[in-house]
Amino acid sequence: GDQVEQSPSALSLHEGTGSALRCNFTTTMRAVQWFQQNSRGSLINLFYLASGTKENGRLKSTFNSKESYSTLHIRDAQLEDSGTYFCAAGGSNAKLTFGKGTKLSVKS
Amino acid sequence: SVLLYQKPNRDICQSGTSLKIQCVADSQVVSMFWYQQFQEQSLMLMATANEGSEATYESGFTKDKFPISRPNLTFSTLTVNNARPGDSSIYFCSSRAGQDTQYFGPGTRLLVL
Repeated sequence: GDQVEQSPSALSLHEGTGSALRCNFTTTMRAVQWFQQNSRGSLINLFYLASGTKENGRLKSTFNSKESYSTLHIRDAQLEDSGTYFCAAGGSNAKLTFGKGTKLSVKS
Repeated sequence: SVLLYQKPNRDICQSGTSLKIQCVADSQVVSMFWYQQFQEQSLMLMATANEGSEATYESGFTKDKFPISRPNLTFSTLTVNNARPGDSSIYFCSSRAGQDTQYFGPGTRLLVL
């Protein structure tokens, strides 16, 4: 099975609202990264976490290595937040395994 | 952080031809990787580009089909041999400067006719 299980696969938000994305890991991961892929296909680094919680503007991410999951919270969603969000996690060999992505659509 | 540049940013080629994708880092990096992403899908690690030696390929990817060179710590080339329509995808190079964050190039969109 997949080492990185990401949910939901798609999400629709109205501007100003928020939600959470989640990744569950079936093996021990050393760290997790979150990316936004925009309409041009570029991957934007959002967070790198080896543990704990990080916050940047309207985004907050948590990585719980013991319970093998990570979350990305988006609050006060804006139109420019639309895109596909990926988590990617690395084990001891530091190779990144990507989740299947969450396609976020923010509507006015 | 590391900035990665890829060339070309997009290409269209005929079936059976070969094409090269170049990746340049703005500083020396220990690890360089190549990923493939089909439309509306996730990224799949193809191989680790090793400086001065053969690349290490993941299951489903071979050096005959996707030869990779890494002559120094800032440069790598991915070749797609005998391109087929099923190879149409985005190819990303990535690297880590140290032990943590992995950075990605802008991607090369390939369409094989």
